Amino acid sequence: DTAVSQTPKYLVTQMGNDKSIKCEQNLGHDTMYWYKQDSKKFLKIMFSYNNKELIINETVPNRFSPKSPDKAHLNLHINSLELGDSAVYFCASSHTGRGGVNEQFFGPGTRLTVL
Amino acid sequence: KQEVTQIPAALSVPEGENLVLNCSFTDSAIYNLQWFRQDPGKGLTSLLLIQSSQREQTSGRLNASLDKSSGRSTLYIAASQPGDSATYLCAVTPGRDDKIIFGKGTRLHILP
Repeated sequence: DTAVSQTPKYLVTQMGNDKSIKCEQNLGHDTMYWYKQDSKKFLKIMFSYNNKELIINETVPNRFSPKSPDKAHLNLHINSLELGDSAVYFCASSHTGRGGVNEQFFGPGTRLTVL
Repeated sequence: KQEVTQIPAALSVPEGENLVLNCSFTDSAIYNLQWFRQDPGKGLTSLLLIQSSQREQTSGRLNASLDKSSGRSTLYIAASQPGDSATYLCAVTPGRDDKIIFGKGTRLHILP
């Protein structure tokens, strides 16, 4: 019973392509996040969605477009991939509503390599 | 602006020793603090979460403390084992529905 799952685990693609990463959580959480871990292993928030609504959007290029079809899913679409997009992308979820403590649970990550 | 610092960046200790990992944050107004473990090429595993009203949390051989006023947290690992080798990340959440702000981690290596 995977709590937070991501697909694919690895993604290798050419510069200029468009790709998507999918994330699903079965924890009943109301908030989902995308984080990027760069080559220096530093983790930084990109987006968060609460009940399908965007609540955090850090300074991320608009080539990155998150989409949340429902509370359990948060997908990340990337247009016109660039070399600098190569990183590991982590999805996370938490319960931030009434009674929640915002303990974040992370998926296994998607390692994106842009050639 | 909240910043999270972890010292040291890397640590090697012989198996069986007790050890302490340090985390400091610049803004004491936090909602909670979480310690994570990341194994090479893997995702993050939540180890302990301390809410702002708490001073410590324990799980097995791990004990995390929080001193909000001084902006510090420590992760104590008792009787270290080779399987404890990993990167340990400290992260603070400024508000209830807020993002996590991570430190850069301490890479721990337990020598058999």
